[in-house]
Parts: sequence; C-alpha cells; structure tokens
Amino acid sequence: EPEVTQTPSHQVTQMGQEVILRCVPISNHLYFYWYRQILGQKVEFLVSFYNNEISEKSEIFDDQFSVERPDGSNFTLKIRSTKLEDSAMYFCASLGGREWVQETQYFGPGTRLLVL
Amino acid sequence: KQEVTQIPAALSVPEGENLVLNCSFTDSAIYNLQWFRQDPGKGLTSLLLIQSSQREQTSGRLNASLDKSSGRSTLYIAASQPGDSATYLCAVNQAGTALIFGKGTTLSVSS
Repeated sequence: EPEVTQTPSHQVTQMGQEVILRCVPISNHLYFYWYRQILGQKVEFLVSFYNNEISEKSEIFDDQFSVERPDGSNFTLKIRSTKLEDSAMYFCASLGGREWVQETQYFGPGTRLLVL
Repeated sequence: KQEVTQIPAALSVPEGENLVLNCSFTDSAIYNLQWFRQDPGKGLTSLLLIQSSQREQTSGRLNASLDKSSGRSTLYIAASQPGDSATYLCAVNQAGTALIFGKGTTLSVSS
C-alpha cells in the first residue's frame, strides 16, 4: 500500500539554526500538509499546499516557516530560525483530493524535532 | 473558532469489553469527521470517515456515529483486544481541507 515517508525521523538542532524537514507524499495525490504535535498536546494544522502554492495556513505558520515542492516527489518544511518552542513531532500528510470530502488524509511517521 | 473535545482522556478496560469513545465539536458546519489511531511515537492511521450527510460508518469491530446537529460523534469498539491499545483521535474538516483535532483518548486494553 502506498505510504507517506518522512526524513529524518529525529533531528536535534541548536536554537537559531535552520532546519529542513522532508516528506515524500503519495504519488498522484494533489494536497500536501504539515501538522505538528507538541508533546502531550493536540495535533495542530500548520499549512496545506495545492497546485504548487499554499492553499491554507494557520496562525502558527508565520514568516519563519516556509514550504516547497522542489521537484515532483518531495515536499519540504523549512524553519528558518528555530526556537525552543518549535520542539515537536512534525507530521506530513497527503490527500488524493479529487473527491476530498469523502477522502482521508494519509500521514507519515513524523519527524521528532528537538531544539536545544 | 472550532474546538474539538474528547472524553475521556484515558480509559482502561479488560479484554473483551465493548467501549465507547466520545468526541464533541462546537461548530456543526463540518464537511466530515474522521477517527484516527495513533500508536506511541508513530504517525496517524485513519480508521473511519463520516461525511456530514451520513449518520454512521462501520469497519470490522469499529462503528462511528455522527450527530452533526448536536456536535457529537462516538466511536464504538466491540470486543476490545490488547492490540487496540493506542490513542484515538477525532478530527473535523470544517473549512478547506485542513483537519482540526481533539486531544485524543488513550485506550489501554489488558489481557
């Protein structure tokens, strides 16, 4: 069965450093997402991407965040200058999108980011 | 602003019991409601999706119901097994395709 993959599985970085989290969504899916889950908290939506541009974003997704689909398969989340509060599990998801009301999103295994 | 709440936060049951997990949401204008399973340190696995026009969906031992007007959904698990131990998340699609999640119910089934 097709699956969403994410790399790395764990990342440790120093405060103020840039990090790039990578995802390979399911091929032929049209919508791509990033969510995050701070330890013990809810899964929170960050951003969705459709037709090579951001389609929705939350208030969490401020100027320090950016997303890119550099080629036909990868989808990346960049955090320019990490803060301690960016420590979380980051999930990538993809959605087929042709009949999205009746489709589920497929989630990757996550990248655990720790900012020191 | 849509808020999704799940009760109880944690539940422990002996193997074989039937159980119900609850989810409530504040704004009934949703496109669909989804139930996911999350194992510790892992990603989310979709269990059931109920469109706003539907009342329930079933998959194996799982049955999810939706009462949109009252802002409630339940996930019924029949004949629970130790392998059902996980966190169960409820999420709604309200505007666009982004999901709004509850905090989850952590289920422990003992053998």
